[in-house]
Amino acid sequence: QVQLVQSGPEVKKPGASVKVSCKASGYTFTRFAISWVRQAPGQGLEWLGWITAYNGNTNYAQKFQDRFTMTTDTSTSTAYMELRRLESDDTAVYYCARGLGGRVMWGQGTMVTVSS
Amino acid sequence: DIQMTQSPSSLSASVGDRVTITCQASQDITNYLNWYQQKPGIAPKLLIYDASNLETGVHSRFSGSGSGTHFSLTVSSLQPEDIGTYFCQQYDNSWTFGQGTKVEIK
Repeated sequence: QVQLVQSGPEVKKPGASVKVSCKASGYTFTRFAISWVRQAPGQGLEWLGWITAYNGNTNYAQKFQDRFTMTTDTSTSTAYMELRRLESDDTAVYYCARGLGGRVMWGQGTMVTVSS
Repeated sequence: DIQMTQSPSSLSASVGDRVTITCQASQDITNYLNWYQQKPGIAPKLLIYDASNLETGVHSRFSGSGSGTHFSLTVSSLQPEDIGTYFCQQYDNSWTFGQGTKVEIK
């Protein structure tokens, strides 16, 4: 069955970078885009951007354009997101999701904690 | 950016009640709208896609309607397992989410 399995929790200091992976299985990886969303503790959902897996085209939310990068590795069906210059406000669960809309499928989430 | 205004922010209802949550988009999004249920510590679960299509495996007491700028999610007979937070999501232009509706049992 279709699965998105994300990497484990991370604890980072302010100013550091974090890279989260999202490994896809059960479907042809290049047929769908991967979107990234985050949710701060007790808060709502915030879209970060998406990347089309077959050609690497990206669409970033303007708020994150200067310190957020999405990539894919089609050989391992894995998507990655990297967030740089971390601040305490970046503490959140980061989700990957398959698709640009409609029947979106979500990964289990990765907790990223930014603390000095 | 498209803004999604969801209401109410919370509701408390009895088992068996009919419950409706609404989302209003700041511009026409045709039917590019999803509804999700989320429980603490778990990823959102898709209930309704394309405004009115029931996701496979989701109980038929959930239904979605609307198009353009006004949308609603209805639970025809609230059950104890329906407690959680519900979000709408537009995908006409990038993604934006409603603020969420926390549903509790009275």
